Amino acid sequence: GQQVMQIPQYQHVQEGEDFTTYCNSSTTLSNIQWYKQRPGGHPVFLIQLVKSGEVKKQKRLTFQFGEAKKNSSLHITATQTTDVGTYFCAGVRDTDKLIFGTGTRLQVFP
Amino acid sequence: EAQVTQNPRYLITVTGKKLTVTCSQNMNHEYMSWYRQDPGLGLRQIYYSMNVEVTDKGDVPEGYKVSRKEKRNFPLILESPSPNQTSLYFCASSAGGAYNEQFFGPGTRLTVL
Repeated sequence: GQQVMQIPQYQHVQEGEDFTTYCNSSTTLSNIQWYKQRPGGHPVFLIQLVKSGEVKKQKRLTFQFGEAKKNSSLHITATQTTDVGTYFCAGVRDTDKLIFGTGTRLQVFP
Repeated sequence: EAQVTQNPRYLITVTGKKLTVTCSQNMNHEYMSWYRQDPGLGLRQIYYSMNVEVTDKGDVPEGYKVSRKEKRNFPLILESPSPNQTSLYFCASSAGGAYNEQFFGPGTRLTVL
C-alpha cells in the first residue's frame, strides 16, 4: 500500500499567505524529490534532497529533508496565483522504485 | 526538443478490448516507467525498466504488461481492460534511474466502460 503520505490533501490560501506541505514515509528514504503538477498538466521536477537535515531554497520555495530521512516539507512564502497546482514528494525504495506521495493540492485565491 | 511523448492522449474503450498506450523519449534515457494517477492516491508506479529488455513490477502491475525492445520506447499494454483501470496514465524517463529527475509525458486519460 501507499507508504508515503502527504498532508494536507488540499489547501486553499489567500494570495500572499504562506503554504506548507508535509511528506511522511514509513521507511527511510535515500533521497526525496519534489514535483509540481499544474492543473491539466504533468508532474515537473522541482528539486532533490539527499542529505539528512538538508535545506534548499528556490526563490520563495524552501525544501527540507528530515534528520531521520523519513520526512520532508515544502514551504512557499507569500503564495502567488502561479503557485496553484498539486505538489508531490517522491522517494526511492528498493534501489530502483520511485514511490510518490499522495500529493497536496494548492489553490490560491487572488 | 527533449521530450517524452505518449499516444493516444485520450481514449475511451470498452471492457475486454485490448489496447496499447505508446511512450517514446528522445533523451537516450535508460530508465523508463509507467504511473497511474487517481484522486487521493497520488502517482502509483505500474512497471519500470532499467534498460532494454529489463522490466520489473512496480506497486500496481496487475492487469498491465510492458515491453522494452528499444531504448526509446516503452509501451503499456492492457490485454483485457476493466473499468477499474480507468485512470490518468503517465510515462516517465530518467538518465539516473529512480534517483534522479523524472521527465514525464503529457499523460493519457483512459476511460474503460
